[in-house]
Order: sequence, then C-alpha cells, then structure tokens
Amino acid sequence: KNQVEQSPQSLIILEGKNCTLQCNYTVSPFSNLRWYKQDTGRGPVSLTIMTFSENTKSNGRYTATLDADTKQSSLHITASQLSDSASYICVVSLPPWAGNNRKLIWGLGTSLAVNP
Amino acid sequence: DGGITQSPKYLFRKEGQNVTLSCEQNLNHDAMYWYRQDPGQGLRLIYYSQIVNDFQKGDIAEGYSVSREKKESFPLTVTSAQKNPTAFYLCASSMWRGNTGELFFGEGSRLTVL
Repeated sequence: KNQVEQSPQSLIILEGKNCTLQCNYTVSPFSNLRWYKQDTGRGPVSLTIMTFSENTKSNGRYTATLDADTKQSSLHITASQLSDSASYICVVSLPPWAGNNRKLIWGLGTSLAVNP
Repeated sequence: DGGITQSPKYLFRKEGQNVTLSCEQNLNHDAMYWYRQDPGQGLRLIYYSQIVNDFQKGDIAEGYSVSREKKESFPLTVTSAQKNPTAFYLCASSMWRGNTGELFFGEGSRLTVL
C-alpha cells in the first residue's frame, strides 16, 4: 500500500535551534517528493521538490534530503524562527504514466512550534 | 500579483443546504484541484480538472460537484448529499504537462454546518 509516514507528530523547539523532520514512504513507482509548509488556517506553500536523482535541495534555511534507496527524506531547519511554527507536510507523487494521473500521497504532517 | 483566490474564507451552512465555494487563478495553469483537510488526516482529493470543460473524480467525490467553464475558475459545490461537510477546503492549481506538477494553493475556505 502506498503510504507516507512522518515523524515526529509534533515538535517544540526554542528559537534559534535547529531541527530535523523525517518522512518515510512506501510509494512505488516514484516521481518526486515534496515538502510543504502550512501555517494554521492557511493553504500549504511548497518548500522543495526533489526527483529521484536529487539527494539534497535547499530553500533558504530549509534543506531537504532524499535517499531513494531507503525511501527516506528529511527536512532540516536551521536557526529556527518564530515564523517557522507551522505544519510541515511530506508528499510523494506517482508518475503520470503510472495510470493514476500523477496521484499524490500525503503525509499527516509534523506540527512544529518554535518558542521564544 | 499572480495567485489563487478562494472565497469565502469562512462559511456557515444549515443542514440540507447546498453551498458553492469559489476558486479563481491567474497563473495560467492548466490543472485545478479541490482538496479537503480534516484534523488528523492528510489532504484528500475531491475533484480535479486538467482542461476546460473536463474534470475527474478524486478519492472522495461523493456529495460534491464541480464545473470548469473557464480556465481560470473551478467552483466547488458542496451538496446536501455530503454527510459530513464541515471541513477546511483547499483549491490548488498546477501546470499539467512537462514539469513536476508543483501545486500552488489558495488560502482555503472553512465550511461549518450548523
């Protein structure tokens, strides 16, 4: 069964600290893996998209890694800020040719709280 | 500014009433989507449309209807047949061909059934 599992479910850190969020998936075939940030009550915003051949991708203080062999991804946040408080969602996409119109498998997200 | 606009942001409905959520995009994207988000669950696809005058059911289409008369617009109607309509609804758009299909989301519409 195609699944995306994220850990931890929630996390509290102090402002300025680093943290790493995990995403494990069992999706096959694989097209790309995305990380989204969703502020409470708002729509998700894309942070990174990685294809099979990409191991690392950065977007400012956010760095995503992908190990396609072990089917694991991580999102590392450096020097956290209060504005980083949000839900971070991992999403895996199947390819268009897989016969399911580029279906997305969504994780449940990790809720991050950055405290002063 | 380019983007996706959803309205209304908050909506209250009595049981038995239909309600229509608006979604407009000026990104010139081919594809548009409607998702539903409930606490403790991942986003679930309701309907999507790849081109004008065509749309496909997603995973939870029962009790919902859509139309795609214009490229920019993809309204969602929550009908009285939807048994549990209280939720946060998200509209998204993307290019369809030749890229990763990155989704751009609107700000969402929160529907509460009284």
